Amino acid sequence: KAGVTQTPRYLIKTRGQQVTLSCSPISGHRSVSWYQQTPGQGLQFLFEYFSETQRNKGNFPGRFSGRQFSNSRSEMNVSTLELGDSALYLCASSPSRNHQETQYFGPGTRLLVL
Amino acid sequence: SQQGEEDPQALSIQEGENATMNCSYKTSINNLQWYRQNSGRGLVHLILIRSNEREKHSGRLRVTLDTSKKSSSLLITASRAADTASYFCATEILTGGGNKLTFGTGTQLKVEL
Repeated sequence: KAGVTQTPRYLIKTRGQQVTLSCSPISGHRSVSWYQQTPGQGLQFLFEYFSETQRNKGNFPGRFSGRQFSNSRSEMNVSTLELGDSALYLCASSPSRNHQETQYFGPGTRLLVL
Repeated sequence: SQQGEEDPQALSIQEGENATMNCSYKTSINNLQWYRQNSGRGLVHLILIRSNEREKHSGRLRVTLDTSKKSSSLLITASRAADTASYFCATEILTGGGNKLTFGTGTQLKVEL
């Protein structure tokens, strides 16, 4: 099976712009989670989607949003970008939303906000 | 905020030696997982240990979990240069619901030839 794919891999934006990142989960996986990784804050949970519904949300401002499509692909959007949004954004998928499941991570999208 | 703290923050050893990393967490958990990350790339899942398990092995990896002390350790035996990476523990908490992981701060491991 192909792994989790994320596009684009690298992105440079300027403050105030918005950005959309895409994640395609492993075939058959229905749960997609998003994480932000920065040197200062480490790895932080953004949100999780299952069957097109957001099930969990981390402590991020409303500028961060996401959605999931019927084929389980997910997008996350950040509006009004700030310098502090520069980070590696990681997407992870798992078969369902049960506990005790391994999450499979994609290679990430590295976002630089200038 | 992060659930776990990892110790040490950085570890440098010679190839062939064993590497031990520790993780402490704050709240009751469903399970604890260890991940590896190479040079700011994606995370690779290493091992998952459930809250009712005390020890688990996978190849050269050995993980222990002590829920009374809220701590876990990852032992890599006979380390190789290819083990050089950052290692993170991640917890799934009881009240979280779904697949939400809370990561520790990570240990940077360097294995020298």
